[in-house]
Amino acid sequence: EAGVTQFPSHSVIEKGQTVTLRCDPISGHDNLYWYRRVMGKEIKFLLHFVKESKQDESGMPNNRFLAERTGGTYSTLKVQPAELEDSGVYFCASSQLWQGSGNTIYFGEGSWLTVV
Amino acid sequence: QKEVEQNSGPLSVPEGAIASLNCTYSDRGSQSFFWYRQYSGKSPELIMSIYSNGDQEDGRFTAQLNKASQYVSLLIRDSQPSDSATYLCAARADRGSTLGRLYFGRGTQLTVWP
Repeated sequence: EAGVTQFPSHSVIEKGQTVTLRCDPISGHDNLYWYRRVMGKEIKFLLHFVKESKQDESGMPNNRFLAERTGGTYSTLKVQPAELEDSGVYFCASSQLWQGSGNTIYFGEGSWLTVV
Repeated sequence: QKEVEQNSGPLSVPEGAIASLNCTYSDRGSQSFFWYRQYSGKSPELIMSIYSNGDQEDGRFTAQLNKASQYVSLLIRDSQPSDSATYLCAARADRGSTLGRLYFGRGTQLTVWP
């Protein structure tokens, strides 16, 4: 069974450009999360989808970030326009619908974004 | 602000030794705790989950939780060079508006030398 897949694995863009990251969760996982790790910091939550609905987007840093999950399958995270401080690793994670404390969250390998 | 703190490391142990990784958390509402292992450039991989006070053992790994002290630890017995990685501690609140959200520490880099 395929795990959480993310694309692109690496991206280098100039300040002011737009980048779109894609995440394909594990098949059948209705929960989809975006996290980010910037240099020297911990992995931080960005937002959470349940199917196609945004359950919690309180971690999104500002309105330059837009996440979508049309149809409740894959998700995209767009950064527009990108700033230098957006550089980091963007992780996607997925899990089955909440079934209590045993719910396991699986992570992708991340999309490394460098803004120059 | 919900925080998870880990001993910063790096931690270096010889092959066959016990590696001890520690973590504290600030939110008493956290109910579930996880240790993820992350090799360089790879995804965080869940290796241990613990939900109640005491010890949880799985092979060479033992997770310990003390909710009164808000402390979580991971012991790796008979450490192997293949255990060399960054270990991430995470806490999760299992109810409320942040249901399912993980709060991570910065990670502890472990090196096991032969």
